[in-house]
Amino acid sequence: DAKTTQPTSMDCAEGRAANLPCNHSTISGNEYVYWYRQIHSQGPQYIIHGLKNNETNEMASLIITEDRKSSTLILPHATLRDTAVYYCIVLIESNTGKLIFGQGTTLQVKP
Amino acid sequence: DAMVIQNPRYQVTQFGKPVTLSCSQTLNHNVMYWYQQKSSQAPKLLFHYYDKDFNNEADTPDNFQSRRPNTSFCFLDIRSPGLGDAAMYLCATSREQGLLNEQFFGPGTRLTVL
Repeated sequence: DAKTTQPTSMDCAEGRAANLPCNHSTISGNEYVYWYRQIHSQGPQYIIHGLKNNETNEMASLIITEDRKSSTLILPHATLRDTAVYYCIVLIESNTGKLIFGQGTTLQVKP
Repeated sequence: DAMVIQNPRYQVTQFGKPVTLSCSQTLNHNVMYWYQQKSSQAPKLLFHYYDKDFNNEADTPDNFQSRRPNTSFCFLDIRSPGLGDAAMYLCATSREQGLLNEQFFGPGTRLTVL
């Protein structure tokens, strides 16, 4: 599974879009990009995943660059409850489901 | 609501005294996972069950064992806890094994070893 690089921490103003980058320059063609987040004292929570195309769901949007070497998770209108550690994970299609968490980005949403 | 439940939320044990952590799920998922998360670190997979099939990670210490008596329940047994085993233990489930199955996590059990 490809390695990911994320900034250690980011701040965002409440109500503004939070854009969380992830670098996965060694990603291969059959590897997916997954995002989970972990709010303090809770278990991780699935957010979104994608392969090549941009994806959107009720929680977030995922923008993957054309060369697939990086991606951005977008929370369109961040709230205080979005304060969490966000993990970008790259998984090969044949993976049994094992999640390999990196250090993630701590997002602090401020009033 | 269908969910993943972990009991207790906080567990204190003594050095070397066996301890069991419990996880139950109402999702009727086939796969159950146990992760260890030490302070300020990311979660790390210990092992998982696909139905009754146990899959151990290569670097999981022998001190850690697991049981899954039925679909709904899974237990994590630590035979002789050391100070280094103090951590949050997270249980997760997924409908099937494989990449495209979202994992649902419980709230975790925080283990303290005295």
